[in-house]
This record gives sequence, structure tokens and C-alpha cells, in this order.
Amino acid sequence: ETGVTQSPTHLIKTRGQQVTLRCSSQSGHNTVSWYQQALGQGPQFIFQYYREEENGRGNFPPRFSGLQFPNYSSELNVNALELDDSALYLCASSWDYLRETQYFGPGTRLLVL
Amino acid sequence: GENVEQHPSTLSVQEGDSAVIKCTYSDSASNYFPWYKQELGKRPQLIIDIRSNVGEKKDQRIAVTLNKTAKHFSLHITETQPEDSAVYFCAASMENYGQNFVFGPGTRLSVLP
Repeated sequence: ETGVTQSPTHLIKTRGQQVTLRCSSQSGHNTVSWYQQALGQGPQFIFQYYREEENGRGNFPPRFSGLQFPNYSSELNVNALELDDSALYLCASSWDYLRETQYFGPGTRLLVL
Repeated sequence: GENVEQHPSTLSVQEGDSAVIKCTYSDSASNYFPWYKQELGKRPQLIIDIRSNVGEKKDQRIAVTLNKTAKHFSLHITETQPEDSAVYFCAASMENYGQNFVFGPGTRLSVLP
């Protein structure tokens, strides 16, 4: 079992609200990537953080933002929630952005009503 | 950008038979191809990966083959067991460029006893 953890496990919000999801990377990993997985689909890349800097971004609007802290844990923030934001949010950590093997956390399931 | 297609979307096999899942990618610069297994309600777990400098990799009952010219790669599972039942995702990435994984839409594999 990998050491990537996420909190909370489940979350219910209403449209227009803001949410913060958290991820602790596996020990020794300095790179965290965030993915959105809609029901029945593959994960879609949101962004990646490497040593506290954003290191690539997928096709998501600016209301999706993130942070990485000195201990390499990370947050995903979503503002102005929309119904379509309902999904499983996964973070994945890796040794660094050059070595691509990524290990996923258990995810946070977000429901927007 | 990269686009990954995956077939079939669902696959049912008898226990002990082999299963093959195929993926195609569009960006010839992609050079790292992992496969993830996701059981219901659980995190994606890396089961095997291959880099573009090799054509085949095997790990016990699981193997992956890569055809760079045709831009496709396949997962082969032999002697399938009921615990192989899950959703399998392929992905493509450009290692050493800090790029995200682009995932296929997934294949739901059912191994019938």
C-alpha cells in the first residue's frame, strides 16, 4: 500500500461554494499531481506541483488552483463550484517530475448539489 | 495535445483465459506508458509500465507490448483470476518533460468463474 493520503474522503457542497482538498505525498516524493475522475471515465490532469511551484496545467479553468507546501503536501482549491465539478479528485505523488511513476492516493469524492 | 484511446470498453473472459486491452496514442513524443488497475471505490494502482526504449515487458501473468511505429500498446493478462476483475486504465506521458499523464477512458474487465 502506498503512502499517499487524502482528506476528506467525501464532501458535499452546493453550487457557488468553495472547497479545499488536501493531499500528503509519499515520503521522499517532491512532486504532486492532481486529477479529476468523473464517473466512468479516466482521470484527467488538473495540474502538477514540483517543489512548491506549479509545473504544468491541464485544461481546467482558473477557479481550480493549488498549493504545495515545504513538506511537499498539497492542496487543491476549487472556487465557484459547479454541478459538473462532482467527481473523484485524486492526487498522485512521484519522486520528481522527471521520473514519471506516480502513486495515487485514495481520492476525495466531491458531490456538488 | 496527446489523445489516448482504449479498447474494448468492457471485456468479459472466463477464468483461466487471457485478456488483451489495447491503447493507441497520438503524440509520437510520448515515451512512458503505465497501466493502472482500479477496483471499485479504490485508488488506481500501477500494475506495469513500459518505456519507449523497449518493446515488451513482463511481470508474472501481466505483460505489456509497445509498437512505437503504430503508436499503440497493449496489456496482456494470462491465466485470469476473479481478482483481476477491475477497471484498467492505460496512460501516455512524456518522461523527462514533467508532463501529465493522459489517460484512456478505461476497460472494465470481468473474469467469470
